[in-house]
Amino acid sequence: RKEVEQDPGPFNVPEGATVAFNCTYSNSASQSFFWYRQDCRKEPKLLMSVYSSGNEDGRFTAQLNRASQYISLLIRDSKLSDSATYLCVVVPSGGYNKLIFGAGTRLAVHP
Amino acid sequence: SQTIHQWPATLVQPVGSPLSLECTVEGTSNPNLYWYRQAAGRGLQLLFYSVGIGQISSEVPQNLSASRPQDRQFILSSKKLLLSDSGFYLCAWSVRQGYGYTFGSGTRLTVV
Repeated sequence: RKEVEQDPGPFNVPEGATVAFNCTYSNSASQSFFWYRQDCRKEPKLLMSVYSSGNEDGRFTAQLNRASQYISLLIRDSKLSDSATYLCVVVPSGGYNKLIFGAGTRLAVHP
Repeated sequence: SQTIHQWPATLVQPVGSPLSLECTVEGTSNPNLYWYRQAAGRGLQLLFYSVGIGQISSEVPQNLSASRPQDRQFILSSKKLLLSDSGFYLCAWSVRQGYGYTFGSGTRLTVV
């Protein structure tokens, strides 16, 4: 089983739509969680951290369910510029801050 | 502010040739440094990490090596490239446990 699993998509949605991505992780002792965004042929960039209480940043909402080992990202009012691959990231406990990346979910927002 | 520089942006190398990719970080001290590779259509694979000068840990056995000759310099090398070494190589740094990484702009390597 992969350490971090994501639906690869693609998710094709119209502008203004709400879209949700899910991610599951296998290591129950994982302690930190992030969502990254990667544009085509570019480096990944940190989108937001994911906290147990859930957190929101503008149109983006991240949720963590430790019991189910499940992370989600909700994007409201999708923009064309949201088109990208979204990477779910998990940090196992201990060690040297090793980030485990999911393979990513591709989002395509169309007019 | 902290910045990370990675070069070159694109590289085409023949099979069997050597490789040297360099990454430097500015504006911070004693960062954790990482080399990742992303094969076409695949996820990011951690290759090496370093928590200090001369301290290198390898995640995946392969014909690549890494060195950290200075606090903010991280180098990825190979003596003889294989076709399977093609990919997008990304250097990253982080401050400490629990924090996300900042990536460099990456090197797209094609071995022919």
